[in-house]
Amino acid sequence: AQKITQTQPGMFVQEKEAVTLDCTYDTSDPSYGLFWYKQPSSGEMIFLIYQGSYDQQNATEGRYSLNFQKARKSANLVISASQLGDSAMYFCAMQRAGNMLTFGGGTRLMVKP
Amino acid sequence: DGGITQSPKYLFRKEGQNVTLSCEQNLNHDAMYWYRQDPGQGLRLIYYSQIVNDFQKGDIAEGYSVSREKKESFPLTVTSAQKNPTAFYLCASSMDRDSPTGTEAFFGQGTRLTVV
Repeated sequence: AQKITQTQPGMFVQEKEAVTLDCTYDTSDPSYGLFWYKQPSSGEMIFLIYQGSYDQQNATEGRYSLNFQKARKSANLVISASQLGDSAMYFCAMQRAGNMLTFGGGTRLMVKP
Repeated sequence: DGGITQSPKYLFRKEGQNVTLSCEQNLNHDAMYWYRQDPGQGLRLIYYSQIVNDFQKGDIAEGYSVSREKKESFPLTVTSAQKNPTAFYLCASSMDRDSPTGTEAFFGQGTRLTVV
């Protein structure tokens, strides 16, 4: 069975600074994918970034990057130059067969002006 | 614009009643999913469908039912057998089951169900 763990229930970051959100995972599948989603207070889930288990490079998407350490089974999200609009819940998720997702418990990020 | 539409946004149900949540997509995606989110928690998979007229139970299917008569539509019925139905329900879709790993799921805006 797959399991995703996000150990930070809440995080504060100063506007314009960088922040790292932690995600560790457990799976016996040799091939897997890891996603990060953002959930604002309105409720929708917004896709941020994807990392495949065989990808050689860490994924980057604009201000988002993924610090993927396969041996440690971690896939931390790094947000650079935080903005007030980044305040939201952030979920790490692992893809399983059929494109279904297993989610972690989430981290609430609060950006201070 | 292409996307996923869930309705209604808020739904109130009396105990013992069945209610149906609507999910429609115009992304031409084969796969559709229903997730449940409880306050302060992550999403859990209720049901999924990879193709029309076929669907499978997810991790917490008890007390729920679905149908997939059209590619665009995947309604979820919360039955009276669901003991704790108050939650936020999210519908999602993604490309076909044979698409390469990494195809992200697109989510609707969600339906917040409250039992009164």
